[in-house]
Order: sequence, then C-alpha cells, then structure tokens
Amino acid sequence: QQPVQSPQAVILREGEDAVINCSSSKALYSVHWYRQKHGEAPVFLMILLKGGEQKGHDKISASFNEKKQQSSLYLTASQLSYSGTYFCGTVLGSSNTGKLIFGQGTTLQVKP
Amino acid sequence: GAVVSQHPSWVICKSGTSVKIECRSLDFQATTMFWYRQFPKQSLMLMATSNEGSKATYEQGVEKDKFLINHASLTLSTLTVTSAHPEDSSFYICSASRDGDYNEQFFGPGTRLTVL
Repeated sequence: QQPVQSPQAVILREGEDAVINCSSSKALYSVHWYRQKHGEAPVFLMILLKGGEQKGHDKISASFNEKKQQSSLYLTASQLSYSGTYFCGTVLGSSNTGKLIFGQGTTLQVKP
Repeated sequence: GAVVSQHPSWVICKSGTSVKIECRSLDFQATTMFWYRQFPKQSLMLMATSNEGSKATYEQGVEKDKFLINHASLTLSTLTVTSAHPEDSSFYICSASRDGDYNEQFFGPGTRLTVL
C-alpha cells in the first residue's frame, strides 16, 4: 500500500529544476506533499484531491493523474532552502479518511 | 495559523519506564490527531488515529497496550509509551487535522525518544 517515490535522491545546482514522482497501486482520494529537514517535522507543501482541487504554496506546483494513481511535484528554479527529504502521503479509496500513507521519501540536495 | 506543538522535544529514559508525549493544536480545534513513528532515514509510519472522546484506532502491528493514546479534548492528544525498551527509541511525530474539504494535516515538531 505504500506509494513508491522516484527518484530516491536528486542533486541539483541552484536554479535547476526537478520533478519528484509518487505512484500508488491503489485508487487514491488525495495526495499530500511534505518536505522534511533533518531532525524536524514535515512541512506541508501541497495537497491534491481527486476531481482537480488543489491547495498549496505559491512557489510549489504539482499534478495528480487519478487514472494512473500518480502525482508529480515540480520544483523550479531551486534554491538552497529546497534541500531536504520530500515525502508524498496518500489517502486511499473514495472518501477522505484522513489516513496518510507515506512514500519512502526523495532526498533533494541543492548545491550553490 | 495551524500550529501544532509537542512536548517534550526529547526524552531519555531507562528501560522499563513509561513516557508520556503531549500533542497540542495551538490555534485550531483538531477533530482528529495522528501519531507517527519515524526511524532514522526512513519514512513516517502511521501508528494510530485518534478522535476526540473516542478510542484510538491502531494500525496493524502496533500494540495498543504498549502505546496508549488519549484524546481528551479538541486540542490535546497524548501518547504514552509503557514499559519502554531500547527498540522503542525513535522519533515520534503527531499531526492534527481540522475539518474541511482538504483535511490537511499539520505536524508537530516531533519528540525524540531514547531508551537506555
């Protein structure tokens, strides 16, 4: 049931772009994206609901393909502060149970 | 808005003792709170879901008698690790969800538990 994230790790230079993917084998109600820095709590980035609704921060964009049960997070013009581990969390099924199942994480390192 | 606090930030205890961790939503009422455990360099694993005034729902493989959860009010949930052992050492994180179309979860800063 755990969604699969790819790639596992990414190294970028400042200003470069990255895409992180999240794929589930089960039907999804929603996908949530978080960034976590070492020793800290995850920080909310974006939520995407089936049906097209989204909510998130201005500089973050993501897509949700309900048919393929996949979501992608787009990081453009990366900054040093983007470094961290990105997790997607999925809510399975047809209703909002609120229960998040997290992927294994994607580590992003942005270098000057 | 949507701030969640946890207390303590870290705790070191002896094997066999019990430890209580508090999770509070500071500026909103949380109908549902979640407890996660995270081992180093691993993902967050959901332990249980708690709703105010009712018994917590535990995930498969999580011992309910070992990890006692109480959701006494709309702003407070507690996790008690009973008879802690070194293998219980981990980063415990709570999150709180408020009602709405998105039901986004807001995470606390986490509690690092070390059992000697």
